Amino acid sequence: AQSVTQLGSHVSVSEGALVLLRCNYSSSVPPYLFWYVQYPNQGLQLLLKYTSAATLVKGINGFEAEFKKSETSFHLTKPSAHMSDAAEYFCAVSDTGGGNKLTFGTGTQLKVEL
Amino acid sequence: EAGVAQSPRYKIIEKRQSVAFWCNPISGHATLYWYQQILGQGPKLLIQFQNNGVVDDSQLPKDRFSAERLKGVDSTLKIQPAKLEDSAVYLCASSFPAGGNEQFFGPGTRLTVL
Repeated sequence: AQSVTQLGSHVSVSEGALVLLRCNYSSSVPPYLFWYVQYPNQGLQLLLKYTSAATLVKGINGFEAEFKKSETSFHLTKPSAHMSDAAEYFCAVSDTGGGNKLTFGTGTQLKVEL
Repeated sequence: EAGVAQSPRYKIIEKRQSVAFWCNPISGHATLYWYQQILGQGPKLLIQFQNNGVVDDSQLPKDRFSAERLKGVDSTLKIQPAKLEDSAVYLCASSFPAGGNEQFFGPGTRLTVL
């Protein structure tokens, strides 16, 4: 069975500061990993995905994530937070055996303060 | 390209009533998913269709939930009878069938059961 753990249900940063959202995964097979963002009253939007190519993945809106197999981690970062980044972020894992089923973490609410 | 469409956006019902949600996926996407997102949690897969066949419904409460995807395009998710714990956002997503591909999410239907 696959699972993801997101450390910190709420993260608060100042505008212009580094954003770091943590995700650790558990998978018995090589995983695909995803970060999604959800704005209020909207569906989920893909930020970036890891599918066994480059371990450093760049996504939209200046976000990136690094796949570290030794640490079973896929943390999301952004060098400089913007007010518009305030949203809920979900890490998700799927297996590489087809099927495409996503298992989501519980989410991290990012607050950006002036 | 048009995104995943869902209706209604909001629904309020009393317990023991029935309710239905509709989803129209992105044109050409063979795979369709229904997720349940309870407040404060990540989305949980209820059912996955490949064209009009069910791939995974292991987490669908079949005593009260049903879903169909006639003709491999639109899908309907029904709850009958509803319980208080069914209050959640119901998200529909679609993707190409290959593993590792992005799932595109609709805006969701927020269900409140009183």
